[in-house]
Amino acid sequence: TQLLEQSPQFLSIQEGENLTVYCNSSSVFSSLQWYRQEPGEGPVLLVTVVTGGEVKKLKRLTFQFGDARKDSSLHITAAQPGDTGLYLCAGAAMGTSYGKLTFGQGTILTVHP
Amino acid sequence: DSGVTQTPKHLITATGQRVTLRCSPRSGDLSVYWYQQSLDQGLQFLIQYYNGEERAKGNILERFSAQQFPDLHSELNLSSLELGDSALYFCASSAQTSGETQYFGPGTRLLVL
Repeated sequence: TQLLEQSPQFLSIQEGENLTVYCNSSSVFSSLQWYRQEPGEGPVLLVTVVTGGEVKKLKRLTFQFGDARKDSSLHITAAQPGDTGLYLCAGAAMGTSYGKLTFGQGTILTVHP
Repeated sequence: DSGVTQTPKHLITATGQRVTLRCSPRSGDLSVYWYQQSLDQGLQFLIQYYNGEERAKGNILERFSAQQFPDLHSELNLSSLELGDSALYFCASSAQTSGETQYFGPGTRLLVL
């Protein structure tokens, strides 16, 4: 069974601070996706990383896929209250013909003004 | 807006009853996935269909079943409902069958009383 350990589970910071969320596994993934979810709504895709060592930037968000494709991180620079939400990482299995995603437990981020 | 639609948005029913949740994938997507999200289990993969055929099964109970129709919309049937089935049910779609980005619908919130 593939598992994704996401940390921290909760993060409460002040506006302007930086933060990093980690997603770790003992399994190798073909790709890893980061989602953000608002209460009562579906997860919204932020980014997909597919190459080991890949770094992608989306405005103040930086995503990294580990060289071994077992871990990933999300770094937010100068967090804003609008960044508040549940952040989820999800990995797609290697060497399979189906697209089942394994999700981490999520990080609840609260950014205070 | 992800382009994935789900109905109904909310559903309240009693134990022992049967309900049907409906999902329409993004235009052109052939794969449909169903996920269950509860507070204690997080987002769990239930089942995947690709172009009308079942492709993968996850932690789906025998009381639950799904199908994908020729027009590619999908339905998730939940029967003999129990209190513990109360959760958010999400549908996601993707263009192909493995490893690539999945786009989530807004979900159906099921409450079993």
